Amino acid sequence: SAVISQKPSRDICQRGTSLTIQCQVDSQVTMMFWYRQQPGQSLTLIATANQGSEATYESGFVIDKFPISRPNLTFSTLTVSNMSPEDSSIYLCSISGGVTDTQYFGPGTRLTVL
Amino acid sequence: AQKVTQAQTEISVVEKEDVTLDCVYETRDTTYYLFWYKQPPSGELVFLIRRNSFDEQNEISGRYSWNFQKSTSSFNFTITASQVVDSAVYFCALSEASYAGNMLTFGGGTRLMVKP
Repeated sequence: SAVISQKPSRDICQRGTSLTIQCQVDSQVTMMFWYRQQPGQSLTLIATANQGSEATYESGFVIDKFPISRPNLTFSTLTVSNMSPEDSSIYLCSISGGVTDTQYFGPGTRLTVL
Repeated sequence: AQKVTQAQTEISVVEKEDVTLDCVYETRDTTYYLFWYKQPPSGELVFLIRRNSFDEQNEISGRYSWNFQKSTSSFNFTITASQVVDSAVYFCALSEASYAGNMLTFGGGTRLMVKP
């Protein structure tokens, strides 16, 4: 199975700044996703990262706040822009081979905003 | 719209006890997929099992077993002879075949604490 890595694994940031999270897969994958998990909560899908085109965002998430890139089939980035303490969460990327395939998750990035 | 409910927010057991985690789902699709994931304190989400709506066979894997019942829209997870290493948050999730983008809907999670 594919190996998924995320950088950074954790970070502490000041409000008003931005952080870019990287998700790297050791093989080409069809679909990549970004999720947010706020403290003590479940996972919420932010967007589907589309290779070579704009990401597809879920309700409540916008591109200006969470710009996403996916330049190829093995890599994606999520930027959390103009951060506030409410953005403190675990951010996870996931992959799947297709629309009905199982999603596998990366190790997550634990973000704290002061 | 799809929905997943895990009514047990937290369960505490003593090692070697059996424990069942409940999952109830709602969907209008006739074809859908159910999943269980484990999230240990380190934070990563570990895939445990997938069940397709057209396959109601129960599954056993070592100390883990899953009971899928379409009649009650439930997909429960049992750990037999629990161990301290089973301590984690467990999530049940659902995806619908009709959704073009493979969207996973997660339940709220059940935190399992296994005490020695």
